[in-house]
Amino acid sequence: GAVVSQHPSRVICKSGTSVKIECRSLDFQATTMFWYRQFPKKSLMLMATSNEGSKATYEQGVEKDKFLINHASLTLSTLTVTSAHPEDSSFYICSARDWGGWNTEAFFGQGTRLTVV
Amino acid sequence: AQKITQTQPGMFVQEKEAVTLDCTYDTSDQSYGLFWYKQPSSGEMIFLIYQGSYDEQNATEGRYSLNFQKARKSANLVISASQLGDSAMYFCAMREGVTGGSYIPTFGRGTSLIVHP
Repeated sequence: GAVVSQHPSRVICKSGTSVKIECRSLDFQATTMFWYRQFPKKSLMLMATSNEGSKATYEQGVEKDKFLINHASLTLSTLTVTSAHPEDSSFYICSARDWGGWNTEAFFGQGTRLTVV
Repeated sequence: AQKITQTQPGMFVQEKEAVTLDCTYDTSDQSYGLFWYKQPSSGEMIFLIYQGSYDEQNATEGRYSLNFQKARKSANLVISASQLGDSAMYFCAMREGVTGGSYIPTFGRGTSLIVHP
C-alpha cells in the first residue's frame, strides 16, 4: 500500500531556532499533502493544505510566517517551524492522498513530536 | 457546528469482548466518505475502514465493521473480539463532496479505547 514517510519522528530544539519537518510519499505522487497539528489528547487540527508547485493554503488562525510550507516536488512537502517557542511544542503529522480514485484513504506519516525548550 | 462528533472520550472493554465506538456526522452533501483511524501511543495514524455514502452494505475489514445508519447520520465502529493491542485513540473522519479538485477531511476529537485483560 501507499506509504508516507515523515522525518524526524522526534526533535528537541532551543527556543528561537527553526525546525524543518519532511513529508515524503514513497510510492505515489501526491499533488496535495496536508499538515496537521495535534495537542495532547485532542483531535487533529488541519493547519494547511500543501499544493505542489504553488503556495500552501493555510487554515484560519495559522500563521503563515511561523509555519512555512514548501511543496517543491510531487513526493516531498516540508513544514518549517520558524523561531520556535515552547508553545509550538506539539505533535505534527502530515498526510497525502494517492489520487488513484475518489474513495481512497489518506495516508499518514508517522508524525513528528516537537519539543521546544 | 461540529461536522464529526465522537461523544465518548474514553471507553473500556474486556479482552475478547466487542466494543462500539460512536460517531455522528453532519453534512448536507449527498456524496461523502467516512473513515476510521487508529492512533496508538506511537502517534502514527492507521487507516482501519472506509464507508461511502452510496454504499448499501456496511463496510467490514477483519475484526472491524462500520455500522452505517445514513438516516441517523451515524457511522459507529464495531471492534469484535478486542485484543490488548487495540488500546489506542480512535478517530472518525469525513470527507465531503469534492470541490475544485481537492478534498479536506474533517476529524472528530477521538475516543480513547483501553482493553484490559
